[in-house]
Amino acid sequence: DQQVKQNSPSLSVQEGRISILNCDYTNSMFDYFLWYKKYPAEGPTFLISISSIKDKNEDGRFTVFLNKSAKHLSLHIVPSQPGDSAVYFCAASTSGTYKYIFGTGTRLKVLA
Amino acid sequence: EPEVTQTPSHQVTQMGQEVILRCVPISNHLYFYWYRQILGQKVEFLVSFYNNEISEKSEIFDDQFSVERPDGSNFTLKIRSTKLEDSAMYFCASWTDETGELFFGEGSRLTVL
Repeated sequence: DQQVKQNSPSLSVQEGRISILNCDYTNSMFDYFLWYKKYPAEGPTFLISISSIKDKNEDGRFTVFLNKSAKHLSLHIVPSQPGDSAVYFCAASTSGTYKYIFGTGTRLKVLA
Repeated sequence: EPEVTQTPSHQVTQMGQEVILRCVPISNHLYFYWYRQILGQKVEFLVSFYNNEISEKSEIFDDQFSVERPDGSNFTLKIRSTKLEDSAMYFCASWTDETGELFFGEGSRLTVL
């Protein structure tokens, strides 16, 4: 039972353009969402989060959008840079629980 | 910047052997986790730990697995009798409700032969 899904396993984008990574979830109890970036042989590093009381959160080049009715969130990276090339995971949790459920990841390649 | 540290970075073991993976979470964090990632697959939750006891565990975390916080700084994952399918990258993470972020270690790669 995959509660958090990232349906695109990979994405290629030209440097300077927008990267849009998508994530869908099925559990309506999720109320906190995070995006992590992972380079090979390293642990995931936190990028940005959003709570269900918001529909948008912005941090520099990274913006996360949350559509609760569609149970969908997306991460926008503008402008994309070659150093952004990594695997991106979305994760979700429910207040009061102690675990985060991760999606399968999307491999982003930013072409110079 | 505070970080979660894990040792060893890579361990090779024979099937049936016991393995202990060690983690030092960030010092003021109170919630600790183990996740694993089998090569090419997603990051999977194993167990969470708070106030010196397991808060939640997944179906992966069977009787062969145990966690311990022996001395107030280390957080260990023990696999009693390793199987081939235990080969994976094991990530420790810690969390504080001040920021809501999970901080991950670099991971310990376990190879079971």
